[in-house]
Amino acid sequence: QVQLVESGGGVVQSGGSLRLSCAASGFTFSDYGMHWVRQVPGKGLEWAALVLFDGSNKYYVDSVRGRFTISRDNSKNTLYLQMNSLRVEDTAVYYCVKDKHERVEVPGHFSYGMDVWGQGTTVTVSS
Amino acid sequence: QSVLTQPPSVSAAPGQKVTIYCSGSRSDIRNNYVSWYQHLPGTGPKLLIYDNDKRPSGIPNRFSGSKSGTSATLDITGLQAGDEADYYCGTWHSSLSAGVFGSGTKVTVL
Repeated sequence: QVQLVESGGGVVQSGGSLRLSCAASGFTFSDYGMHWVRQVPGKGLEWAALVLFDGSNKYYVDSVRGRFTISRDNSKNTLYLQMNSLRVEDTAVYYCVKDKHERVEVPGHFSYGMDVWGQGTTVTVSS
Repeated sequence: QSVLTQPPSVSAAPGQKVTIYCSGSRSDIRNNYVSWYQHLPGTGPKLLIYDNDKRPSGIPNRFSGSKSGTSATLDITGLQAGDEADYYCGTWHSSLSAGVFGSGTKVTVL
């Protein structure tokens, strides 16, 4: 079945780095855009980053742009999130999420939805 | 602070209907498609509605979505105890070139 499994979360000091991975299975990974969505404890969902199906374009929320890098390896069916210069406010559960539609080139304009979510990996940034 | 505005909570008795509103702007809801998610504690969120009003397979027709202008709505009819959860709207923000979620609405079944 379609599955996303995150790993790489943990405890890191402020200013440190961490790399999250997401192993995908059960679908043609290279056909779908992939997102990272996070949830700060006690708060709502926050969209963090998107990489298109072919890696051609990447998008970020303002609060992580310049510090986080989303990437993918379609040969390994794996999504990554490299997180540098981590801040206390980056403490959250990070979800790996699959686009509903295949080969989306313009997010949102013709379709929008995220249909498969991982179980989440927890990142804790200490001061 | 979320770009999309939702009521913090709604409630109704079993069997009744609740409507959750999601208010945005021309840059997000009006010019892009909207999706809705159900989030239970300790689990990954579940897609309920995509492309404004479409249901994924396996989602009962008690859940329905619509969009008009800069707002979207999620209706849940025949409310059940298992519907108690947090619900989020989501869309793309064209000016920010970023995804955005609503502030979230907690549904309570009385």
